[in-house]
Amino acid sequence: GENVEQHPSTLSVQEGDSAVIKCTYSDSASNYFPWYKQELGKRPQLIIDIRSNVGEKKDQRIAVTLNKTAKHFSLHITETQPEDSAVYFCAAQGASGTYKYIFGTGTRLKVLA
Amino acid sequence: DAGVIQSPRHEVTEMGQEVTLRCKPISGHNSLFWYRQTMMRGLELLIYFNNNVPIDDSGMPEDRFSAKMPNASFSTLKIQPSEPRDSAVYFCASSLEGVYGYTFGSGTRLTVV
Repeated sequence: GENVEQHPSTLSVQEGDSAVIKCTYSDSASNYFPWYKQELGKRPQLIIDIRSNVGEKKDQRIAVTLNKTAKHFSLHITETQPEDSAVYFCAAQGASGTYKYIFGTGTRLKVLA
Repeated sequence: DAGVIQSPRHEVTEMGQEVTLRCKPISGHNSLFWYRQTMMRGLELLIYFNNNVPIDDSGMPEDRFSAKMPNASFSTLKIQPSEPRDSAVYFCASSLEGVYGYTFGSGTRLTVV
């Protein structure tokens, strides 16, 4: 069935360093890959997304890369700040015609000041 | 725009009682999703509706769970009878078909004692 694996489950970095979170998906028909940030006690919020016809997308300090052949996609955060500390979820949308997302298990990022 | 509105924010109930969670999607959105979040299982899709019609309810755990969407601006998730293992945060999310990216509500934290 559909599955999204996410690694690592926890990640600690020093402020100013970069953080990378990786996901793999199983459904080769997946065509949309959003990333959500969830702060403690709050709702998941969309921070960046990428579609299958694009290999990379950047928005200020965050970027996402996609390798469709390998069915991998990654989130990159540069110049990390304490406010980046949160749980990050990757997700993959199924084939065209289905709007549900399959979420990864989450990565708890801690940025140490 | 008020976003996706869920009620109640917190619910504490005794085992065996009926629980009803409510969601008002963003006006104009025609897809609505119910997710459950726990530490052990992460974000699980329970059911999703498109144009008020249930499309995929394969994530509904058992017959104790039911969901309805009587109109475009309201949905309910009902658990009857509730059990302690149903304790979780239940999120509702909505999106516009063909436009990617869910918006999540603030969630309902359910505790069954």
